[in-house]
Amino acid sequence: GAGVSQSPSNKVTEKGKDVELRCDPISGHTALYWYRQSLGQGLEFLIYFQGNSAPDKSGLPSDRFSAERTGGSVSTLTIQRTQQEDSAVYLCASSWQPDTEAFFGQGTRLTVV
Amino acid sequence: AQRVTQPEKLLSVFKGAPVELKCNYSYSGSPELFWYVQYSRQRLQLLLRHISRESIKGFTADLNKGETSFHLKKPFAQEEDSAMYYCALVGSDYKLSFGAGTTVTVRA
Repeated sequence: GAGVSQSPSNKVTEKGKDVELRCDPISGHTALYWYRQSLGQGLEFLIYFQGNSAPDKSGLPSDRFSAERTGGSVSTLTIQRTQQEDSAVYLCASSWQPDTEAFFGQGTRLTVV
Repeated sequence: AQRVTQPEKLLSVFKGAPVELKCNYSYSGSPELFWYVQYSRQRLQLLLRHISRESIKGFTADLNKGETSFHLKKPFAQEEDSAMYYCALVGSDYKLSFGAGTTVTVRA
């Protein structure tokens, strides 16, 4: 594709349900990042992939959060037993190499009711 | 641990006035530093990176290793510069870390 694609664009879920967020990076990009953007909170780092492996998972807020990347391409971020504080915009980015320009998706707006 | 600090959450300037967004970092090695920008209803995108030493849209940023700063400057702000600006750092562990962001409003 022409850019980083995230789906769904918007997700409303009930508290306690599981959700899966998807990220399709730019083809050939080896690095993939997940961030959470809350109102007034800036960009909170969640996890980073280099290829299929995740060298840094330090940003995942709790064990309810997990992420995987398959085939060095698509990544999914899963939130189990969602809580209201999980409501935010989840952003995915990819780059050719980790120290090159990161290209961002449009984000998934998650609302937990 | 690496850290990026943007001390100003909000910055309001008049059109034609200079604007400076502050960014300080903590990192023990030599990081790669970036400024990213998010205009209203658009994706976050790269504005400039220190290694390229370019001026983009009239903005420049100088890396000061002594002060561990990477402030973003523009001598004459325009209304289209109103946006959210993020300073970012990549260290040897290849983790891309962002500051909290500064919202810039340029008033006519």
